[in-house]
Amino acid sequence: QSALTQPPSASGSPGQSATISCTGTSSDVGGYNYVSWYQQHPGKAPKLMIYEVTKRPSGVPDRFSGSKSGNTASLTVSGLQAEDEADYYCSSYAGNNTWVFGGGTKLTVL
Amino acid sequence: QVQLVESGGGVVQPGGSLRLSCAASGFTFSSYHMHWVRQAPGKGLEWVAFILFYGSHEYYADSVKGRFTISRDSSKDTVYLQMNSLRPEDTAIYYCVKDSGAWAFDQWGQGTLVTVSS
Repeated sequence: QSALTQPPSASGSPGQSATISCTGTSSDVGGYNYVSWYQQHPGKAPKLMIYEVTKRPSGVPDRFSGSKSGNTASLTVSGLQAEDEADYYCSSYAGNNTWVFGGGTKLTVL
Repeated sequence: QVQLVESGGGVVQPGGSLRLSCAASGFTFSSYHMHWVRQAPGKGLEWVAFILFYGSHEYYADSVKGRFTISRDSSKDTVYLQMNSLRPEDTAIYYCVKDSGAWAFDQWGQGTLVTVSS
């Protein structure tokens, strides 16, 4: 149950795009299409933004998109807005009814 | 709307025990799997425990296996986390989380803070 690897920080200017990577192994990210992404603002509970690699829950703007290649998943935020500034966490199903999270990425809107 | 309300957090000495509760509403509790996820102060998220919707099988992170027990009572729409042999590294906000049905965490409670300190 080793944590997934995310960059500690990412940034972009308003209106631009930012991409956050999430690297695991063939036992988690690469082995299942159950990667999800969470947004967390300071002092708040996390919010589900992407599930099953590419799917968006109702109410999440289509500016948020997910993808996966091999053992690395990515979250892309297009048309950055000030309210997108937050911490983002990836998670993956890791088999045997266990899950693993990434260490988190602080997204800054410049 | 879905609500998950945790309670039971507090300050406990190392080696002590605490029982967290999470009252669920706004959805058919007995039809959904449930999780506990924690977040140490200033740190990232860590999955802790999982219980199937019918409650007969539980799964744990290696870091808490043998010390924590997740359970649920569908007559009360409540999920619990019994925490024994607590260590300072268990200090965290503990979130009760509903499984989406697609192995994702789609609804989160507001969290309850557990502090393990002498």
